[in-house]
Amino acid sequence: NAGVMQNPRHLVRRRGQEARLRCSPMKGHSHVYWYRQLPEEGLKFMVYLQKENIIDESGMPKERFSAEFPKEGPSILRIQQVVRGDSAAYFCASSLDGITEAFFGQGTRLTVV
Amino acid sequence: GENVEQHPSTLSVQEGDSAVIKCTYSDSASNYFPWYKQELGKGPQLIIDIRSNVGEKKDQRIAVTLNKTAKHFSLHITETQPEDSAVYFCAASKDPARQLTFGSGTQLTVLP
Repeated sequence: NAGVMQNPRHLVRRRGQEARLRCSPMKGHSHVYWYRQLPEEGLKFMVYLQKENIIDESGMPKERFSAEFPKEGPSILRIQQVVRGDSAAYFCASSLDGITEAFFGQGTRLTVV
Repeated sequence: GENVEQHPSTLSVQEGDSAVIKCTYSDSASNYFPWYKQELGKGPQLIIDIRSNVGEKKDQRIAVTLNKTAKHFSLHITETQPEDSAVYFCAASKDPARQLTFGSGTQLTVLP
């Protein structure tokens, strides 16, 4: 899983600011998943993307959250007007072909103050 | 949707003993069941997985068993070592590429 790169590792934002979390999948992987982990809890699915397409966003809050995976560059998870409840660890995972298993990155720990 | 329950939430064992973590799932359509190990400050690391056409799978000191009829699966770690100490998560999905539903985690502590 060392191949999935997430940055930044830690991010501090004031309430009302925007947070941008980046994920570069493993080389050759074109399927990306975002999960959120609240303290002392398991991971919760947010969104599944392929290059330039959102496949499943059933776990994503309808407001303030968006995700993209452009043809070139990393996948971005964007949170607008952050609130304290957005504080969590956000993990990205990638899969080669949408059939084989997904590997996780180290996560971005977002703290909203 | 799928619901995965995991027990126990904490588990302490003596070095060399075995550890067993159990999970149940609700969606009979689920057929992929991975286990992840998460160390403090790191991302989940896949340690073993099993698919519904297999009842048991083993990899050195780690084994996973699956009972599709009862909808439960278990992780077995034998000859535990201090470096096995971590949080372990079970998960379930309809296939590896689709969204995983995670259990709430088990904090395993191996006492030297």
